Amino acid sequence: QSVLTQPPSVSAAPGQKVTITCSGGSSNIGNNHVAWYQQLPGTAPRLLIYDTKERLSGVPDRFSGSKSGTSATLAITGLQIGDEADYYCGTWDTRLSEVMFGGGTRLTVL
Amino acid sequence: QVQLQESGPGLVKPSDTLSLTCTVSGASVSSGDFYWSWIRQAPGKGLEWIGNVYYRGTTIYNASLKSRLNILIDTSKNQFFLRLNSVTAADTAVYFCAREIESGALAFNLWGRGAPVTVSS
Repeated sequence: QSVLTQPPSVSAAPGQKVTITCSGGSSNIGNNHVAWYQQLPGTAPRLLIYDTKERLSGVPDRFSGSKSGTSATLAITGLQIGDEADYYCGTWDTRLSEVMFGGGTRLTVL
Repeated sequence: QVQLQESGPGLVKPSDTLSLTCTVSGASVSSGDFYWSWIRQAPGKGLEWIGNVYYRGTTIYNASLKSRLNILIDTSKNQFFLRLNSVTAADTAVYFCAREIESGALAFNLWGRGAPVTVSS
């Protein structure tokens, strides 16, 4: 069971907005930057967001990251079929001295 | 263009040692102050960080694997290595090597394609 908690699944219609939350604690999200990854089936994860809200070059501005307290959020606007994937949050845990990942959230674009 | 490529046996027997190599091209493992990581994903499961190595050889390990784990680096060959001993079926996974986007960020923008490893007799 992961230290970082994500909803197992979210869904929305094309063109809509969806948010994926990642809940942690003071030793991880509360005091460290958060990254977000997109993983399509059978492929390696792709970094979308780092340093909590910085978009990697080439990532559409439909993707955005934010944080409040010990929770982080990935927002995706203008949903496209191609956004269907698994999404993971990740951060450093200062108490455990380890990189932690959330359990992952499967996004379905209806 | 920096690329990472995992290599190693796809089948390992229970209680044996899992050994993988990550070959880096397009950049030197000893430049840029980066940490080089191993991450795995069991079938149908999420990502699990295994540990990382700095070019000077210092390492940080996942506590749950630490007693069985060794991560090494060879700057002359531009490679780093994963050694996980006493494996069980629970170690069956796709193993990725990865590099962080900037020194100390521990957000991984460079990944290998992944090496599937099955632990079975």
